[in-house]
Amino acid sequence: NAGVMQNPRHLVRRRGQEARLRCSPMKGHSHVYWYRQLPEEGLKFMVYLQKENIIDESGMPKERFSAEFPKEGPSILRIQQVVRGDSAAYFCASSPPGGVNYGYTFGSGTRLTVV
Amino acid sequence: KQEVTQIPAALSVPEGENLVLNCSFTDSAIYNLQWFRQDPGKGLTSLLLIQSSQREQTSGRLNASLDKSSGRSTLYIAASQPGDSATYLCAVRGTGNQFYFGTGTSLTVIP
Repeated sequence: NAGVMQNPRHLVRRRGQEARLRCSPMKGHSHVYWYRQLPEEGLKFMVYLQKENIIDESGMPKERFSAEFPKEGPSILRIQQVVRGDSAAYFCASSPPGGVNYGYTFGSGTRLTVV
Repeated sequence: KQEVTQIPAALSVPEGENLVLNCSFTDSAIYNLQWFRQDPGKGLTSLLLIQSSQREQTSGRLNASLDKSSGRSTLYIAASQPGDSATYLCAVRGTGNQFYFGTGTSLTVIP
């Protein structure tokens, strides 16, 4: 029973390029959450998705960032035209149906470096 | 908005000592609280999940308590070991869709 799988583990992008981060939830989990961890800061919520639906994107920057969770395949966090300030660790978590009664299972994260 | 604070920010103890990590939150209307461990450069490992109706949860040498009315949780680690060295994060889930995280307590257990 594989856990939450994120890839790539490390990603280097030049300023202005696009970054695509992937997350496959645990088997049986249908809720996906993306968090960002900036150096020396806590984890900040970005977006909450269910299959084919964005439920809550209140933590997403208004520009350049988007997320999806298609019917088939992993959830994708896309960052367009990356800037140095996007350098961070991006974590994905999943939980089973039933929402608030369950805790999170986290992936190992993708560490994005913008050069 | 929920604010989560963890004290102390860093803690260094000799091996074998019992220790307590503290977490406080500003809004007591929570569904549950989860303690995580994060090793340097790694992801988060779930340690304990406490529902709002529960007072404590135990797993091995770990015991987490919850006092919802006062907005506090503690993580007790018994007989600490060098392998316990990590950052411990407290996360609180309220009526919204997200967990709110503290900035963590960095624990070093000295052999």
